[in-house]
Amino acid sequence: TQLLEQSPQFLSIQEGENLTVYCNSSSVFSSLQWYRQEPGEGPVLLVTVVTGGEVKKLKRLTFQFGDARKDSSLHITAAQTGDTGLYLCAGRMGSTLGRLYFGRGTQLTVWP
Amino acid sequence: DTAVSQTPKYLVTQMGNDKSIKCEQNLGHDTMYWYKQDSKKFLKIMFSYNNKELIINETVPNRFSPKSPDKAHLNLHINSLELGDSAVYFCASSQAQIAVGELFFGEGSRLTVL
Repeated sequence: TQLLEQSPQFLSIQEGENLTVYCNSSSVFSSLQWYRQEPGEGPVLLVTVVTGGEVKKLKRLTFQFGDARKDSSLHITAAQTGDTGLYLCAGRMGSTLGRLYFGRGTQLTVWP
Repeated sequence: DTAVSQTPKYLVTQMGNDKSIKCEQNLGHDTMYWYKQDSKKFLKIMFSYNNKELIINETVPNRFSPKSPDKAHLNLHINSLELGDSAVYFCASSQAQIAVGELFFGEGSRLTVL
């Protein structure tokens, strides 16, 4: 059973374009994280959101947690080739000892 | 210094063999994990240890046996390897008392079973 559905699975865009990646669930999460993974490496945390409706910005990246804490989105403005990578959302239920459920990821490729 | 280090990075072996992957973290964290990433990049938790105690054990064949000799180490031993075990195995750590619960991942160990 896939708790977190990410879309799209693949995204291929030109440098300078904007894009949005979605992470949806029918379950409520106490927190939701976004990770980025590059080839041959482990995922690296980008952001954690914990409050329904929360919006966090990290330079050109904007993360939003849904009001009901069931979904999240990642928006990238003016994508750069360095943004290329696998973006993973991960949700946690309950305490920090609880399972962190990962979505299947969005493979983003930004072309020059 | 690498925060979470795994060895070996690559492992190629025959079906039926037994192999181990070692993991060490120097972050002072109290919780460590093993995740399996399949060919479609899906990352699934296998085990989690908190202060050397097993707290998460997903539906994993008992051919997989984790061992945590101390808080800084979590090893994974796999018996009677099967073709379907081919994947990238990631070790990770976190500090349970910190609410955000960021996971720090190792670089992964790519296991290929022939």
